[in-house]
Amino acid sequence: NAGVTQTPKFRVLKTGQSMTLLCAQDMNHEYMYWYRQDPGMGLRLIHYSVGEGTTAKGEVPDGYNVSRLKKQNFLLGLESAAPSQTSVYFCASSSRDLPRTYEQYFGPGTRLTVT
Amino acid sequence: SQQGEEDPQALSIQEGENATMNCSYKTSINNLQWYRQNSGRGLVHLILIRSNEREKHSGRLRVTLDTSKKSSSLLITASRAADTASYFCATWGTYKYIFGTGTRLKVLA
Repeated sequence: NAGVTQTPKFRVLKTGQSMTLLCAQDMNHEYMYWYRQDPGMGLRLIHYSVGEGTTAKGEVPDGYNVSRLKKQNFLLGLESAAPSQTSVYFCASSSRDLPRTYEQYFGPGTRLTVT
Repeated sequence: SQQGEEDPQALSIQEGENATMNCSYKTSINNLQWYRQNSGRGLVHLILIRSNEREKHSGRLRVTLDTSKKSSSLLITASRAADTASYFCATWGTYKYIFGTGTRLKVLA
């Protein structure tokens, strides 16, 4: 049982380049989330999904797109990377069934640097 | 804007001492959770307290919740070097959590 995995672990992009971060979970969770973590800012929600084929915006969605084509995968895309998107990105998942909905399982993070 | 604000931002104590960190939030909540993050790692769920609960224990952890003051505290008793980490509170909104900025705890051996 791998839990939540993220690919890649590290990436350096030049301004204007695009990339996709992959999150995969093997716990059959319905809910999945993408966060970014910046120094002194805590975690901020970018986008989330409550089920396959559905996505919704979080606090800081601008510059990002997401897709949830399969229940176990949640992809985060940067179409034209900017230095302001330099951050550590975390994926998380949780069950739809209360009370387990409230417990999020986090991946190890992807450290992205945009130069 | 951040729903949860932890206090203090950083805390350094000796092994064996107790560590207390606080969280304040702004809106009504259904529940509040505490998470731990070791350096370079993802967050790990520690404990959940519901809005109708005032205190909850789990091992060396004690969480209190005061909904009238919109605040919560996390107490770690008999701290160990392995407790060195950042601790975040998170309040539950619709389908999602809002996380605070965290308290960095350092336990000195």
